[in-house]
Amino acid sequence: DAKTTQPPSMDCAEGRAANLPCNHSTISGNEYVYWYRQIHSQGPQYIIHGLKNNETNEMASLIITEDRKSSTLILPHATLRDTAVYYCIVRPMNRDDKIIFGKGTRLHILP
Amino acid sequence: SQTIHQWPATLVQPVGSPLSLECTVEGTSNPNLYWYRQAAGRGLQLLFYSVGIGQISSEVPQNLSASRPQDRQFILSSKKLLLSDSGFYLCAWSRPGGGYTFGSGTRLTVV
Repeated sequence: DAKTTQPPSMDCAEGRAANLPCNHSTISGNEYVYWYRQIHSQGPQYIIHGLKNNETNEMASLIITEDRKSSTLILPHATLRDTAVYYCIVRPMNRDDKIIFGKGTRLHILP
Repeated sequence: SQTIHQWPATLVQPVGSPLSLECTVEGTSNPNLYWYRQAAGRGLQLLFYSVGIGQISSEVPQNLSASRPQDRQFILSSKKLLLSDSGFYLCAWSRPGGGYTFGSGTRLTVV
């Protein structure tokens, strides 16, 4: 079973920031938080990951709470191309590190 | 740079026919390799993963099998396809602690 909980769907107006929450209350000390997204009929695409510090790259920002039990993915200026299913995943740092995907959040960007 | 190749992009096969989907990775050595399936309107289901040549772990009982004859080659097979094998098949690779990179997928329709 996936170790994360996400809302099934969210709407966001184009040009606004999209904030996607994720709960991972059972995360352990050696597990990272990863975010992927899947645009229709494509393979999932890596977005960002982090351990305990906030992270930012050209696609998004990741805010992880101090207790690491939840995180938020922020798309600062959402566009229609950001419409996708977003997956939050926790993943350990070892050799046998298979990812179990949950159902994710279906993000609709509204024009 | 690393690349992952997956083919064919689409496939229509009759019930009872065999299946062979191939995935190859370039630009890296000893990757972890994965096969996922996504049924229409459903989430990603991990089918098989491999941490080395000849090492295959199956996640769910099913009509499919996987093999890793070479370090960067991962093959998904079936001797006799069922209607329920229809779906979007995705291959992925990772380094320990690194993000997953997915192929472009194969859409299989069993008729």
